[in-house]
Amino acid sequence: EVVMTQSPATLSASPGERVTLSCRASQSFSNNLAWYQQKPGQAPRLLIYGASTRATGIPARFSGSGSGTEFTLTISSLQSEDFALYYCQQYNNWWTFGQGTKVEIK
Amino acid sequence: EMRLVASGGSLVQPGGSLRLSCTASGFTFSSFAMAWVRQAPGKGLEWVSGISGSGGSTYYGDSVRGRFSVSRDNSRNTLYLEMDNLRAEDTAVYYCAKTNVKVIPTYLDFWGQGTLVTVSS
Repeated sequence: EVVMTQSPATLSASPGERVTLSCRASQSFSNNLAWYQQKPGQAPRLLIYGASTRATGIPARFSGSGSGTEFTLTISSLQSEDFALYYCQQYNNWWTFGQGTKVEIK
Repeated sequence: EMRLVASGGSLVQPGGSLRLSCTASGFTFSSFAMAWVRQAPGKGLEWVSGISGSGGSTYYGDSVRGRFSVSRDNSRNTLYLEMDNLRAEDTAVYYCAKTNVKVIPTYLDFWGQGTLVTVSS
């Protein structure tokens, strides 16, 4: 099983800040990685797939990068609606999710 | 507009059974593989099961293999999850989700709202 480890568990930031979330895989793979956003009481929403491709309707302030075992999600300028939980998921070898990073208001 | 409406969740005793349904609309259901993902209260996401667009191939996570069974009725645009021998650790919100192709694994591009399963005596 591919274990996905996200860091930090919680990230405190202010609106307008640039933030970077990390996701590390226990095994190397190319780009079969997705990022999802989840708000309280809602289903997850796809943000990024293929490690760096934004899903339909996702604002340009969200960007993804990485390959191998290290992946990142960057939000260039935090908006109020971006405070949420973020999960990475590998789909190279079945599916496994990271444990999530909570982005909270500082 | 795409919709995935999950239903069937309820309170069930340990060892009991339950069937979840997920009705799809707004897209060609048979063209896409589907998945079930669950989230225990206050916890992260866990993949449960997946099924190809035709229904001919099914896949399960280690924690549910042998107890859960996934199926689909493409004529009714409906995905199912039969859950047997339920345990307390199966308590979770169960989401159905759509992939972008007929085969898996791949990313999940649209999720339904989820249905709550509680396993308790």
